[in-house]
Amino acid sequence: EVQLVESGGGLVKPGGSLRLSCAASGFTFTIAWMAWVRQAPGKGLEYIGRIKSKSDGGTTHYAAPVKGRFTISRDDSKNTLHLQMNSLKTEDTALYYCTKDLSLWGQGTLVTVSS
Amino acid sequence: QTVVTQEPSLTMSPGGTVTLTCASSTGAVTSGYDPNWFQQKPGQAPRALIYGTSNKHSWTPARFSGSLLGGKAALTLSGVQPEDEADYYCLLYYATVGVFGGGTKLTVL
Repeated sequence: EVQLVESGGGLVKPGGSLRLSCAASGFTFTIAWMAWVRQAPGKGLEYIGRIKSKSDGGTTHYAAPVKGRFTISRDDSKNTLHLQMNSLKTEDTALYYCTKDLSLWGQGTLVTVSS
Repeated sequence: QTVVTQEPSLTMSPGGTVTLTCASSTGAVTSGYDPNWFQQKPGQAPRALIYGTSNKHSWTPARFSGSLLGGKAALTLSGVQPEDEADYYCLLYYATVGVFGGGTKLTVL
């Protein structure tokens, strides 16, 4: 079964850090371009960034609101995608989705940034 | 700052045809923006419908189609069904980064 399962969400204070993970199964992860998207409570979708497959260079690209604070990485040996989030702000509170290049989506993990 | 604009809401009767549009603050939308369309129902993750302007995923119902229309990306639903009531989002790529539109809430009455 093709599946993406996010984990690592939780409550964190402003200025803190959090690392999200996404376990992929049912497809060839090593050649997949992967992306993160978030959705604040009651709001629309927001693109965070994408990582290419290592065979395509493994490069990453980020949306302006998170550039310099968030880092996307991948562990192809474990079929896992990561999102390292630093210097978190209250406006980063959202449901974070892992996607296989926007075609396949996980169910999301909730991140709450609050003091 | 780039803004992608969609109709905030639309209402349709079952069986009708509706077109949702997606405009860019930078000018006319072309295939180079690689328009994508997504459907999201309450409490569910988004589901991809269209990629590359008009390409359907294997799971996309035939009544959904994507196109370019009047300088915008467009999603047309032909023969709207009650189960099509949902939020619809478009995404455009600006070089390497995607930008979502604000979404269209489609109500089927």
